[in-house]
Amino acid sequence: GDSVTQMEGPVTLSEEAFLTINCTYTATGYPSLFWYVQYPGEGLQLLLKATKADDKGSNKGFEATYRKETTSFHLEKGSVQVSDSAVYFCALEYGNKLVFGAGTILRVKS
Amino acid sequence: GAVVSQHPSRVICKSGTSVKIECRSLDFQATTMFWYRQFPKQSLMLMATSNEGSKATYEQGVEKDKFLINHASLTLSTLTVTSAHPEDSSFYICSAGVPVSETQYFGPGTRLLVL
Repeated sequence: GDSVTQMEGPVTLSEEAFLTINCTYTATGYPSLFWYVQYPGEGLQLLLKATKADDKGSNKGFEATYRKETTSFHLEKGSVQVSDSAVYFCALEYGNKLVFGAGTILRVKS
Repeated sequence: GAVVSQHPSRVICKSGTSVKIECRSLDFQATTMFWYRQFPKQSLMLMATSNEGSKATYEQGVEKDKFLINHASLTLSTLTVTSAHPEDSSFYICSAGVPVSETQYFGPGTRLLVL
């Protein structure tokens, strides 16, 4: 079945460091791909999405490109802030259902 | 943006009792709500899809008689864990789908601990 694999955390970075969180997927067909973020005590929020190959989703300085050839959707940010500390989930959508990765905890130190 | 609430945020109960969790869309009508379960350090697993006014669709391996879902209105869905046991202890998360945009908005989750 369809699945999502993302790098294990926690990822600990200093403020202004470059961030990459890897995400790969297995799917039949061409699903839409998402990154969700969960801040402490809050529900998951959609961070960005891409619906077809080579699409780049971006929001709040975060970017991810839908790579069909490598079945990947890695999340990047050029300069992280303490306020980016959260749990990040990669997900794919098939038939109106979301399949999530295990989540990656990001901790940013000042 | 759209807001989804869950109540309670955490609950502790004795084995054998039933627990009801509410999921509300506060500022929009949701024809579809989803219920997920999350184990520690694992991903969210879809349990069931709930459509207003009709029976929920359960994912394979989810006991529909144990996890009762009711979606009686466009702003409220409930999940009842019947005769809860310690292995039902988990983090339960709901989401509500916004028509047309097909975006899901998530609640903050409910932590259930069964003693």
